Amino acid sequence: AQSVTQLDSQVPVFEEAPVELRCNYSSSVSVYLFWYVQYPNQGLQLLLKYLSGSTLVKGINGFEAEFNKSQTSFHLRKPSVHISDTAEYFCAVSLSLSFGGYQKVTFGTGTKLQVIP
Amino acid sequence: DTGVSQDPRHKITKRGQNVTFRCDPISEHNRLYWYRQTLGQGPEFLTYFQNEAQLEKSRLLSDRFSAERPKGSFSTLEIQRTEQGDSAMYLCASSGGDRLSIGDNEQFFGPGTRLTVL
Repeated sequence: AQSVTQLDSQVPVFEEAPVELRCNYSSSVSVYLFWYVQYPNQGLQLLLKYLSGSTLVKGINGFEAEFNKSQTSFHLRKPSVHISDTAEYFCAVSLSLSFGGYQKVTFGTGTKLQVIP
Repeated sequence: DTGVSQDPRHKITKRGQNVTFRCDPISEHNRLYWYRQTLGQGPEFLTYFQNEAQLEKSRLLSDRFSAERPKGSFSTLEIQRTEQGDSAMYLCASSGGDRLSIGDNEQFFGPGTRLTVL
């Protein structure tokens, strides 16, 4: 079974500063990795995903993440944050299968990003 | 708006009452998921439908919980004899289409139904 660890429950950062949200996963087989964002009282929105290929993945809103297989990490980064980035961010993992179809997604406990003006 | 919709957005009920939530997925999606999210936690998987077939249920889904997707379109989640521990956000998501997309498991989430059991 796969699992995801987000060690930082809250990350405060000043506006226009860079930010990194950490995510580590555990799995005995290949995985797909995702980052979702959740704004207050809303559902989750996909920021980016890693399926295969380049380990640096670019997503929406200027976010990017790097898949590091040796360190089993998939940290999310943004070079300059904006007030509107204040939200909760969830890392998620699913097994990489050779065929399409259903793959159970396991979510981390989330990191609240607070951008300070 | 053609995203995933959920109804109601908020539900307050007394312990012991039954509640039912509805989810309308994106119309061409054949896969539908229910999750529960409690404060300070990420979404926890409850159950999954492929068309009208319920293919997987989590151990979190006790006998008081039942989910249906009768025509492979909208889905309902019913909780009988609610308990205070059932208070949470219930999220619905959908994915997929007519073609099998290898590795493409992007799930589109609805806004959720927040349940408060008094």
